[in-house]
Amino acid sequence: GQQLNQSPQSMFIQEGEDVSMNCTSSSIFNTWLWYKQEPGEGPVLLIALYKAGELTSNGRLTAQFGITRKDSFLNISASIPSDVGIYFCAGPSYNTDKLIFGTGTRLQVFP
Amino acid sequence: DTAVSQTPKYLVTQMGNDKSIKCEQNLGHDTMYWYKQDSKKFLKIMFSYNNKELIINETVPNRFSPKSPDKAHLNLHINSLELGDSAVYFCASSRANTEAFFGQGTRLTVV
Repeated sequence: GQQLNQSPQSMFIQEGEDVSMNCTSSSIFNTWLWYKQEPGEGPVLLIALYKAGELTSNGRLTAQFGITRKDSFLNISASIPSDVGIYFCAGPSYNTDKLIFGTGTRLQVFP
Repeated sequence: DTAVSQTPKYLVTQMGNDKSIKCEQNLGHDTMYWYKQDSKKFLKIMFSYNNKELIINETVPNRFSPKSPDKAHLNLHINSLELGDSAVYFCASSRANTEAFFGQGTRLTVV
């Protein structure tokens, strides 16, 4: 089945640093979604991407839909302590429409 | 107003018991889901309903039975609970094949 692998698995950074993480798949996706999950909460949608090559921003967050349609990237600029959480990529499976989630990237930000 | 709400938030119960988790969405979405998040934070889809009809049923034991009385509600009933059922269960909803919105989760602990 389709799988989404995220890297890095975890990141420990200093406040103010920029962060980059990515998500790769062995098969093509037509939509890429990025979610953030804070402790004790459900995942919250950050950015949705619908077209290959698309670059979309949401405040300090920028995400890109890879040209091959097999990957996506999320960047966070000037990180702050409240950026802490697990970031998931997700996309609908092409043949079943179920939303598949990546393995997650845990972000820890130190003041 | 909470868009996707599920109750209870915490559930501690003994092995062998039967329990239910309720979910309601007020977003007018046609599709609702149940996801299971394990201790490693992997999010796996369990069921998907569209307009009260079962669309996706992943390889989930028969002890798990979803019920959708109307398109705004999707409840999850679990029979004969086992230790391995301990996890966080998330309800979500979406317009068909688009970004999903999640509830806060139900942390189930089977002792």
